[in-house]
Amino acid sequence: ETGVTQSPTHLIKTRGQQVTLRCSSQSGHNTVSWYQQALGQGPQFIFQYYREEENGRGNFPPRFSGLQFPNYSSELNVNALELDDSALYLCASSLITLSYNEQFFGPGTRLTVL
Amino acid sequence: ILNVEQSPQSLHVQEGDSTNFTCSFPSSNFYALHWYRWETAKSPEALFVMTLNGDEKKKGRISATLNTKEGYSYLYIKGSQPEDSATYLCAFSSQGGSQGNLIFGKGTKLSVKP
Repeated sequence: ETGVTQSPTHLIKTRGQQVTLRCSSQSGHNTVSWYQQALGQGPQFIFQYYREEENGRGNFPPRFSGLQFPNYSSELNVNALELDDSALYLCASSLITLSYNEQFFGPGTRLTVL
Repeated sequence: ILNVEQSPQSLHVQEGDSTNFTCSFPSSNFYALHWYRWETAKSPEALFVMTLNGDEKKKGRISATLNTKEGYSYLYIKGSQPEDSATYLCAFSSQGGSQGNLIFGKGTKLSVKP
């Protein structure tokens, strides 16, 4: 296992609600990236955080937001949930100086929106 | 739009068979190609990071090759074992791409029957 942990494991919400997912990065890593994996798709990049600031973003609307804390753990917040937000959310930690963008993944949080 | 394609989508083999699958990616602005092995309910596990055209990497019975000029990578498993059953993901990162952005294929799901 990578040492990256995520909570909760599973979550059920209803449309319109807000959700917060959490990630603890691997010891020594200073960067966290978040990915969404919808059913039948590969993981899609949401954003990356480094030094508590967003350091790159994929094609996701502003209702997807994040935070990184001084201990490098991170949160993903999704507002105004839609049915299509149902997916597995993965976080990955890395060290910004690691060569070639090598990332280490957690087991994911399964979000179901009803 | 950058696209990563993996084939086949799924594969069923008998224990002892050797197998291989393909990852196709854009050949321009190449930076790195990553292979991950992902067992159900676990974290994706990094297998290889490949960066140079002609690279060949090996880890036990698993090996991979890289052709950046034509934009493909092969993953080989020699003498498949039931514990090799997993989804194998490849991910591409590009020069000048959004920080932290790995672009994933949909994966190849391998099932090895005893």
